Amino acid sequence: AQSVTQPDIHITVSEGASLELRCNYSYGATPYLFWYVQSPGQGLQLLLKYFSGDTLVQGIKGFEAEFKRSQSSFNLRKPSVHWSDAAEYFCAGYWGAQKLVFGQGTRLTINP
Amino acid sequence: DAEITQSPRHKITETGRQVTLACHQTWNHNNMFWYRQDLGHGLRLIHYSYGVQDTNKGEVSDGYSVSRSNTEDLPLTLESAASSQTSVYFCASSDGSSSTDTQYFGPGTRLTVL
Repeated sequence: AQSVTQPDIHITVSEGASLELRCNYSYGATPYLFWYVQSPGQGLQLLLKYFSGDTLVQGIKGFEAEFKRSQSSFNLRKPSVHWSDAAEYFCAGYWGAQKLVFGQGTRLTINP
Repeated sequence: DAEITQSPRHKITETGRQVTLACHQTWNHNNMFWYRQDLGHGLRLIHYSYGVQDTNKGEVSDGYSVSRSNTEDLPLTLESAASSQTSVYFCASSDGSSSTDTQYFGPGTRLTVL
């Protein structure tokens, strides 16, 4: 079955430091890939998505993600995090039938 | 502005009771989804609908039902609430006109079953 894995349950970084959140998908057909962010008590907001073409995707709030087919990965990056980036981040894959498959989520804590 | 709303935002109920969670979207989207979010599991699909009168089971559908009588609403019913159904529930919708549709999420309902 298709699956999405986020290896890191919780990451802590200092404000101003760079960030990389990992996401891997199961082998097989390459899915469409998404990153969502969930602020405390809020719903999910789409950060960026990859369908095809350029493997480096730019999103909102200064985030970007790079698709690497050889590693079945779609890691999310930000050069310099802000305290407001503290949230839970979800990677998701779409293999068809209008259904998203979500990873377990990574909780990001920002140290001042 | 178009939006997707869920009600109630918080609900406490007792084991065995029937509970209905509302989801309403004003985008006129064809597709609607219900997920539950649990620690360590991310979001898991409960039920989904591709249009009026269409409903389908997702990954974790046991104990839940949905009905789609109009485009805007997809209520989720817990027939007999169980403590294992304590969770945060999210509704989402997408246009459905292409395979690259983005899903838009509601704010969530936190359900506690005592």
